Order: sequence, then C-alpha cells, then structure tokens
Amino acid sequence: DQQVKQNSPSLSVQEGRISILNCDYTNSMFDYFLWYKKYPAEGPTFLISISSIKDKNEDGRFTVFLNKSAKHLSLHIVPSQPGDSAVYFCAALNNAGNMLTFGGGTRLMVKP
Amino acid sequence: KAGVTQTPRYLIKTRGQQVTLSCSPISGHRSVSWYQQTPGQGLQFLFEYFSETQRNKGNFPGRFSGRQFSNSRSEMNVSTLELGDSALYLCASSLGVNRGRTDTQYFGPGTRLTVL
Repeated sequence: DQQVKQNSPSLSVQEGRISILNCDYTNSMFDYFLWYKKYPAEGPTFLISISSIKDKNEDGRFTVFLNKSAKHLSLHIVPSQPGDSAVYFCAALNNAGNMLTFGGGTRLMVKP
Repeated sequence: KAGVTQTPRYLIKTRGQQVTLSCSPISGHRSVSWYQQTPGQGLQFLFEYFSETQRNKGNFPGRFSGRQFSNSRSEMNVSTLELGDSALYLCASSLGVNRGRTDTQYFGPGTRLTVL
C-alpha cells in the first residue's frame, strides 16, 4: 500500500514556464514533507521541505505548497530551466522517527 | 565539507553470496539511514543507525543487516543474495538529534549491486 503517491510519472515543460509536480499521501501521521531531485547515477539531492504547521515554503525558484485537508502537496519551479531536468521525489516523515517514505518519482523534462 | 561517500560504487555478485556495503557520513552527522531503490518498488527504507544502535527498521527480511561504528561510519550486509536484491543501495546521513523535523537527510551516490 503506497502511502505517498506521485501520480504523474513524467512531465514536460518549456524553459521559462512553471513546472508543477504533485504528490498525495494517505498517512495522517506524516507531519514533515521533503522534495528531492535525482540525476541518473547520483543520490537524491535535498531541495526543499515543509512542516505540517505551514501551508507554503519558498526558496528561490522553488515553492512547496501543502494542503493538509486534501493530503496533497505540490512543488512549483518558476522559471523552469533545462538544468532542472531530473527525477523529483516527494518524501514524508512522521514523528515516530527518521524514516523517509518516498513517492515513486516524477521525471521532469525542461525543453530549451 | 565532504559529502556522504559510499563504497564500492558498483558490485556484481552471484546468488547465494553475501555482500557488505560501506557508507561514510558527513562529518558531525551521527545518523545513517539505508535505502533500497528498485524500478518496481521505488525508494524503500531499510534501517537507521544512530550512535551505533539501530533506531528504526523497515520491512526487509533478516538477510539485510547493518551496523554502525563509533566514528559513525556504517556498513550494510546482505546475506544469501537473491536476484531480487539487485538494486541501487543509498545511504543518507543527518545530525540525528532532532528526529527529522529540521534534520535533513543527505544522500550518497549509492552502490549499484547486480546479482547474477
């Protein structure tokens, strides 16, 4: 049973436009969410996180939105750049420990 | 500051053998977590070590084990390898003192294990 789901396996966006990556979760005990970016043959790189007490967190071109009632979060990248092309994973933590539960990933392709 | 390092980067083994993977965390980090990435199951948590003790464990069989040394370096061992153990094994380190709230996990490049 997947507790964290990324329903879009891939997304293609034009350079300069907005990329929106979505993530849904089912476990109400999750209270901290993170986004990681992964290039082939490399480990995931931390991008941005958000606590369940907030509904938005912004860091440069990256903004994460959290809708607790819908158990949904999204990552917005504005403007998108070709170097953003990678697989993006959302992950969740509960207060029981340091175990990240990952979604299946979304492959983002930013076309020049 | 050096990042998380993992050795070896690539490994080929045959069924029934055992394997040991190594992870050196970022200096000052005391928590090391291990994850398995496969095309079918995605990224799955194996276990977490903090101060030489296993603090969390995922749903993997007992063939998967680990340990952590006093310098926070960690090893993961898989015994009696099966074809399905072929995967990218990632370790992540964090400070480990705030149980995840602002304690970001930083990943190494992974060890690609192929079981023939």
